[in-house]
This record gives sequence, C-alpha cells and structure tokens, in this order.
Amino acid sequence: AQTVTQSQPEMSVQEAETVTLSCTYDTSESNYYLFWYKQPPSRQMILVIRQEAYKQQNATENRFSVNFQKAAKSFSLKISDSQLGDTAMYFCAFMKNYGGSQGNLIFGKGTKLSVKP
Amino acid sequence: DSGVTQTPKHLITATGQRVTLRCSPRSGDLSVYWYQQSLDQGLQFLIQYYNGEERAKGNILERFSAQQFPDLHSELNLSSLELGDSALYFCASSLTGENEQFFGPGTRLTVL
Repeated sequence: AQTVTQSQPEMSVQEAETVTLSCTYDTSESNYYLFWYKQPPSRQMILVIRQEAYKQQNATENRFSVNFQKAAKSFSLKISDSQLGDTAMYFCAFMKNYGGSQGNLIFGKGTKLSVKP
Repeated sequence: DSGVTQTPKHLITATGQRVTLRCSPRSGDLSVYWYQQSLDQGLQFLIQYYNGEERAKGNILERFSAQQFPDLHSELNLSSLELGDSALYFCASSLTGENEQFFGPGTRLTVL
C-alpha cells in the first residue's frame, strides 16, 4: 500500500519570502502521479501542481515549483514570493497510474502554512 | 469555481438516520470520486465511478453506498449514521482516471 508523509504539521513564512514544504511517499510502483493541493480557510480543495513520475523535469506553475526526487521518493513544494492568499493547508497526494479509467488520490496529513505580513 | 457542484452545503441530522449527498461533475468529466475529510482520519478516498460503473473502492463503510447515474451525476448514501460519520464529504471529478481531479465545495455533515 502507498503512503504519503508530510513531516511538517505547521509552517510560517514572511510575505514575499520563499518557503518549502516537504513530502515523502512510499510505493513500489514505477508509474504514478504526484500532486499538491491547497485548502484555504474556505475548505475548497484547489489543485496547485501536478508531476508525472516518468518526467525528470520538475513541474512549475507561476510561483509554485516542485523538487521531485524519484529515487529518494521525495516531492517538495517551493512557494516563491509568498502572498497572504497562500495561507492555507497544503496536501501532498499520490495517485497510481492504472493506465485507464481508475484513479484515486492518497493524501498526506497536510501542512498548515501561515503567511505573515 | 472548479465546475463541480455539491448539494447540500450543510446537513445536520441525528444518529441512526440516512442522508443522500449529491454531486454534479464538471461538464465532460466521466469520473466521479468521493472523499471524506475528518479530524481523525484526514482525507480518505471512499469510492470512484467511471461512466456509470464502479471503478475503485477505498475505505468505504458497508453502511455507505454510492451510484453514478446516466447523466453522470453521483449520489453518496450514508445510512445508520453515527457520531463518527460527522465530516466534510468531497466529490471530485476528472475526465479519466489519469487526469487531475477537481473538487467540489464539499458537504459538511454533522451527526448529533
């Protein structure tokens, strides 16, 4: 069974600074996807970024980028130029690639990020 | 707005009762997923449907059931409710099992 571990329950960062959230996962699969989701106080789950395991290049989305280390089974999220609106719970998630219609996310426990003015 | 809709937003009921949560996926998405978020268990996958058929099952209790209708909307039925069933229930949708999932706003269930 796959597991996802987020070792930092809470973090804080000053506005405009950079912060990195950690995530490790355990799997025997070679073909999978990794995601970061953001859950602000509104409780809506918002997709931040996606990484395919077969791609060596790290995914980026504007101020958000990942450091994907497949051998180490590590998938950290870097947020640059932090903004107050980045304050949220961040979840790392794993999804095995079944190659078709099946798919389900396995989530970590989350990291609560506070951006301070 | 993700394009996924869930009703109702909030539901308060008593132990032993039965409730139905409804989800409409994004236009064009064939796959619907149900997740439960609670303080104890975190975010857990319950069940997935693809184009009307069950595709994957997670930690879903026998008291819970779901289905996906021909118009692709889905319902999650929770029966013989217990206090521990109080949680935020999310529906998500995707085009196929390989695509990213987009979440609805959730239904907050409170069992008293």
